[in-house]
Amino acid sequence: NAGVTQTPKFRILKIGQSMTLQCAQDMNHNYMYWYRQDPGMGLKLIYYSVGAGITDKGEVPNGYNVSRSTTEDFPLRLELAAPSQTSVYFCASSYSGRGGGTEAFFGQGTRLTVV
Amino acid sequence: SQELEQSPQSLIVQEGKNLTINCTSSKTLYGLYWYKQKYGEGLIFLMMLQKGGEEKSHEKITAKLDEKKQQSSLHITASQPSHAGIYLCGADSNYQLIWGAGTKLIIKP
Repeated sequence: NAGVTQTPKFRILKIGQSMTLQCAQDMNHNYMYWYRQDPGMGLKLIYYSVGAGITDKGEVPNGYNVSRSTTEDFPLRLELAAPSQTSVYFCASSYSGRGGGTEAFFGQGTRLTVV
Repeated sequence: SQELEQSPQSLIVQEGKNLTINCTSSKTLYGLYWYKQKYGEGLIFLMMLQKGGEEKSHEKITAKLDEKKQQSSLHITASQPSHAGIYLCGADSNYQLIWGAGTKLIIKP
């Protein structure tokens, strides 16, 4: 069972470069999320999606974009990378939103460094 | 907005000892989740609590939600090296999960 798959696991970007973080889930979950985790901090929601074609901003959306063309995939796009975007990024999915009384499944994370 | 505060921020415990981690919410909790994170890995679901006074156990880990539904505790009995990691509490807040900053647990052999 693959669950939630994130790629890449590690990446170093130069300031101003762009990249896409990939996230795929095979559990047919409607809800998908992108979080960032800074050292000593909890998870901050960047964007989330309640289904294919529907996305919405979370707490810290600036500098990021998302799309959800299929149920399975939820890529996160970084445009014009900045040092402030150095973080660990987690993708998650769940059967329903609000936690839904069901657990959220997380990918293994992408460690991004912007230099 | 709702906030979750975890305490302590870090904890060093002798193997075999008991320990407790707390999670306090600024508002009433309608769904409280405990997750564990190991370095370089994603989050692993431990338990979910929804009802005031609810208590759940899995192996040597027990989680409780107080009657007022504003505080939860995670208790580990007879700690083992496998318990080491970062413990995060999360809570339902509209269509999002909000998170505490985490508690880093180190087990000394």
